[in-house]
Amino acid sequence: GENVEQHPSTLSVQEGDSAVIKCTYSDSASNYFPWYKQELGKRPQLIIDIRSNVGEKKDQRIAVTLNKTAKHFSLHITETQPEDSAVYFCAAGYNQGGKLIFGQGTELSVKP
Amino acid sequence: GAVVSQHPSWVICKSGTSVKIECRSLDFQATTMFWYRQFPKQSLMLMATSNEGSKATYEQGVEKDKFLINHASLTLSTLTVTSAHPEDSSFYICSATPYGQKGRNLEQYFGPGTRLTVT
Repeated sequence: GENVEQHPSTLSVQEGDSAVIKCTYSDSASNYFPWYKQELGKRPQLIIDIRSNVGEKKDQRIAVTLNKTAKHFSLHITETQPEDSAVYFCAAGYNQGGKLIFGQGTELSVKP
Repeated sequence: GAVVSQHPSWVICKSGTSVKIECRSLDFQATTMFWYRQFPKQSLMLMATSNEGSKATYEQGVEKDKFLINHASLTLSTLTVTSAHPEDSSFYICSATPYGQKGRNLEQYFGPGTRLTVT
């Protein structure tokens, strides 16, 4: 079945450093890869997404890269700030708006 | 952005009773909604895809007779946990997409979640 693996499960960085979270997916038919940020007890919020026809996408301090051949994609956060601390989830799906399979999540802690 | 609400935000019920959770898209129509459950410090597990006017599509391992889904209108889907047991205690989250509506981003918008505790 469809599966998304996410690493690491926890990540601690100093304020100003970069953070990288990696995901691999099993279904080669997946073509939409969003990243969500979830604060404790709150709903997931989309922070960036990428489609399979693009290799990289950037939005200010956040970037996502996709390697379709290897079936993996990564989230890069530069110049981290304490307010970036949260749990981050990657997901894979068929087309934007379709069902998503989520990775296990990464708890990011940014120390001031 | 689009707004999705859930009701109730939390509920405590006794073992053996049924609980209904509502998911509403407030400013858009959603032919498809999704239901997830999330245990503490764990990921979102897709339970089912709720289709307006037809039967829900359940993921493997999810009991359709236990988790009843009804998508009666373009803005409302309900999840009923029947004969709830303590192991059903979890955070239930729905999502919806303004699919097919011009000018709308097609991202999934999540509800705030419902915390169910079965005693």
